[in-house]
Amino acid sequence: NAGVTQTPKFRILKIGQSMTLQCAQDMNHNYMYWYRQDPGMGLKLIYYSVGAGITDKGEVPNGYNVSRSTTEDFPLRLELAAPSQTSVYFCASTIGNAVGAFFGQGTRLTVV
Amino acid sequence: KNEVEQSPQNLTAQEGEFITINCSYSVGISALHWLQQHPGGGIVSLFMLSSGKKKHGRLIATINIQEKHSSLHITASHPRDSAVYICAVRDQKLVFGQGTRLTINP
Repeated sequence: NAGVTQTPKFRILKIGQSMTLQCAQDMNHNYMYWYRQDPGMGLKLIYYSVGAGITDKGEVPNGYNVSRSTTEDFPLRLELAAPSQTSVYFCASTIGNAVGAFFGQGTRLTVV
Repeated sequence: KNEVEQSPQNLTAQEGEFITINCSYSVGISALHWLQQHPGGGIVSLFMLSSGKKKHGRLIATINIQEKHSSLHITASHPRDSAVYICAVRDQKLVFGQGTRLTINP
């Protein structure tokens, strides 16, 4: 099925551990985004990419890194996990003005 | 000041009522999205607008580019419409409003 695939769905990390959240889309979308959503709060942009090889910081980039080596994949890397990074993470993609935004199912991350 | 402001933040209504959720933005945009997030957390795109009005079933979305304002309307509301509705605007990046939590009581 076409769409945005985000893995894993759930993860528990210990403080100081690292992990990569995977995001892939098969719709040839050029724009991809990573957001975090804290309980009861809105979505905050971490990083975004307007195409392969191009990434840019959003509102809350500290503690995260991204890469966009292909159009399809946009992984989010957490280095030295901290409790403040406990959140639900969403990956999204869009293209132009012709279609809406597509979201992954979300990753619920807990740092203990 | 947030680039995207939604109102109201919370809305409770009775089944059958006409619902309006508003979104104002302060930046130049190429498109505006209305999204729905259910209690389970998944996010679904309802509409993408760059001008005028769109309708899908009981949902209607309008946008006024000059006034930098959009509205989402729900006619004949139903308890299954209970969700968080989110406005997002896009130039290069998608910027989200805080969301409107809608509860429709039977």
